[in-house]
Amino acid sequence: EVQVVESGGGLVQPGRSLRLSCTTSGFTFGDYAMNWVRQAPGKGLEWVGFIRSRPYGGTTEYAASVKGRFTISRDDSKSIAYLQMNSLKTEDTAVYYCTRAWDPVAFDIWGQGTMVTVSS
Amino acid sequence: QAVLTQPASLSASPGASASLTCTLRSGINVGTYRIYWYQQKPGSPPQYLLRFKSDSDNQQGSGVPSRFSGSKDASANAGILLISGLQSEDEADYYCMIWHSSAWVFGGGTKLTVL
Repeated sequence: EVQVVESGGGLVQPGRSLRLSCTTSGFTFGDYAMNWVRQAPGKGLEWVGFIRSRPYGGTTEYAASVKGRFTISRDDSKSIAYLQMNSLKTEDTAVYYCTRAWDPVAFDIWGQGTMVTVSS
Repeated sequence: QAVLTQPASLSASPGASASLTCTLRSGINVGTYRIYWYQQKPGSPPQYLLRFKSDSDNQQGSGVPSRFSGSKDASANAGILLISGLQSEDEADYYCMIWHSSAWVFGGGTKLTVL
């Protein structure tokens, strides 16, 4: 079964850091770009960023709202993607989802997400 | 102006059809984009429905009923998700998405009410 499972969320104070993990199974992880998408309470979906697969350079792209604070990485040997979140702000409070993409496939598999609450 | 604009809400009756629009910002030509559609029910993650670029470049999500289909209205510069034979279970939020300027962009979502 193809699946992704997000973990690592929790309550964190503003200015602190948190690392989320996206553990995958059931597909060839190395073929796919891995994306992070978030959803603030009661709001719509917001793309956070992604990391390309190694054949495409393994480079990253980020939304303007998180650029310079968030870093996405991947461990193809473990089929895991990570989202390192630094200098967290209250507006980063959201459910964070990871999902895959490999042109033209995009975001066809979603996990249940992990909740991040940034509050003092 | 947002890259993708969706009406905030839409209501339709069971058995009827609903046309959900996703309008691209002026200057962004809908004809050149694949438009992806997702459904999200309360308390659940989004689910992939389909993608549509043209009659020869489109894909239905696995297990997604054929009642869901995609199209474009070039005159309105919009992508369209058509849901026919509406059922109560279709009540949900619907999001469109495109790849634009090296970023994935979501529309604000449409809340579909079936009543």
